[in-house]
Amino acid sequence: QVQLVESGGGVVQSGRSLRLSCAGSGFSFSSYAMHWVRQAPGKGLEWVAFIAYDGYKKYYADSVQGRFTIARDNSRHTVDLQMNSLKPDDTAVYFCARGARGGNWIDPWGQGILVTVSS
Amino acid sequence: SYVLTQPPSVSVAPGQTARITCGGDNIGSKSVHWYQQRPGQAPVLVVYDGRDRPSGIPERFSGSNSGTTATLTISRVEAGDEADYYCQVWHSNSSQFSYVFGTGTTVTVL
Repeated sequence: QVQLVESGGGVVQSGRSLRLSCAGSGFSFSSYAMHWVRQAPGKGLEWVAFIAYDGYKKYYADSVQGRFTIARDNSRHTVDLQMNSLKPDDTAVYFCARGARGGNWIDPWGQGILVTVSS
Repeated sequence: SYVLTQPPSVSVAPGQTARITCGGDNIGSKSVHWYQQRPGQAPVLVVYDGRDRPSGIPERFSGSNSGTTATLTISRVEAGDEADYYCQVWHSNSSQFSYVFGTGTTVTVL
């Protein structure tokens, strides 16, 4: 079955960097777009970044544009999120999720990983 | 930026029908998707493209979309339906491409 497993979370000081990684299995990874979505404690879902199946199109939320970079390695079935200049407002559970072929829904999702930015 | 507005909470008795609305500018022209998120878990897609259900999602979950409001309807509500629900669309204009989530609705089963 489809599995998405995030890694790389933890506690980091404001202004520093962190890199999240997501490993996909159980599907043709190179055929699907991928997303990162986050959820601050007690808050709703916030879409963060998108990367097309071939890595050529990338979109970002305004809140992370210029600070975060999404990248993928189809040979390793991984998608990464490089987060620079982190702020306390970036504290959240970060979910890796698969995009849809032929549509713009997001499914399935990984279990998520917590990133805490201390001030 | 594009905004999707949902009621913060909906309460429903077991066996009754819950309706969760999602409002946005000209939302009737967009494909709306719905997610269920139980406490401590990742979101799960329950309706896509307005009214289609992924495999494994009960027929009790249905969607509709017209005008300025999309609606997720949960029929014959069960205790296990207690969760947060989010609508989502893809929005683009001349300078922006984004995936937008609604503000979320907590469904409480009385």
